[in-house]
Amino acid sequence: AQSVTQLGSHVSVSEGALVLLRCNYSSSVPPYLFWYVQYPNQGLQLLLKYTTGATLVKGINGFEAEFKKSETSFHLTKPSAHMSDAAEYFCAVSEGGGSYIPTFGRGTSLIVHP
Amino acid sequence: DTGVSQDPRHKITKRGQNVTFRCDPISEHNRLYWYRQTLGQGPEFLTYFQNEAQLEKSRLLSDRFSAERPKGSFSTLEIQRTEQGDSAMYLCASSSAGGNYGYTFGSGTRLTVV
Repeated sequence: AQSVTQLGSHVSVSEGALVLLRCNYSSSVPPYLFWYVQYPNQGLQLLLKYTTGATLVKGINGFEAEFKKSETSFHLTKPSAHMSDAAEYFCAVSEGGGSYIPTFGRGTSLIVHP
Repeated sequence: DTGVSQDPRHKITKRGQNVTFRCDPISEHNRLYWYRQTLGQGPEFLTYFQNEAQLEKSRLLSDRFSAERPKGSFSTLEIQRTEQGDSAMYLCASSSAGGNYGYTFGSGTRLTVV
């Protein structure tokens, strides 16, 4: 079985500060890992994904994440927050080679202060 | 490619009524997923199809929920005898087989049961 834990339901940063959103997962097989962003009353938009290969993954809007197998983590970072980054962020895992059904975390709300 | 389309965007219904939602996936995607999202939570997996075959339906919330994808293209999700607890956002996503290119979500259908 697979699961995702996102530490912190809310993260607050100042504009221009580093963004760090934490995600830990469990999976019985090599995972596929994803980060999605959701703006109010909208669907989810894919930010980035890890399937195989390079463990540091770059996505849209300046976000990146690093797959660390030993820590079962896939934390999302951005060097400098913009006001437009304020949204809900979801980490997801699917079992590569398995059912491929993604399981989502509960989400982290990113608040950006001017 | 216009992305994943869901209809309607909003639905208000009286308790006890039946509702049906439609999802049109990206045309070249053969997998289609339904999720439910309640306030402050991540998407919760309900069911998925590969082409017209429904490969997993044990996570549908009750026997009042059913889904179809008759020709392997669009899908419908029906809720019979709606209850207030069914109020949520219902999300549809599609992917290629394996999901290693990520899952594309629609904007969702927000259901309010009064």
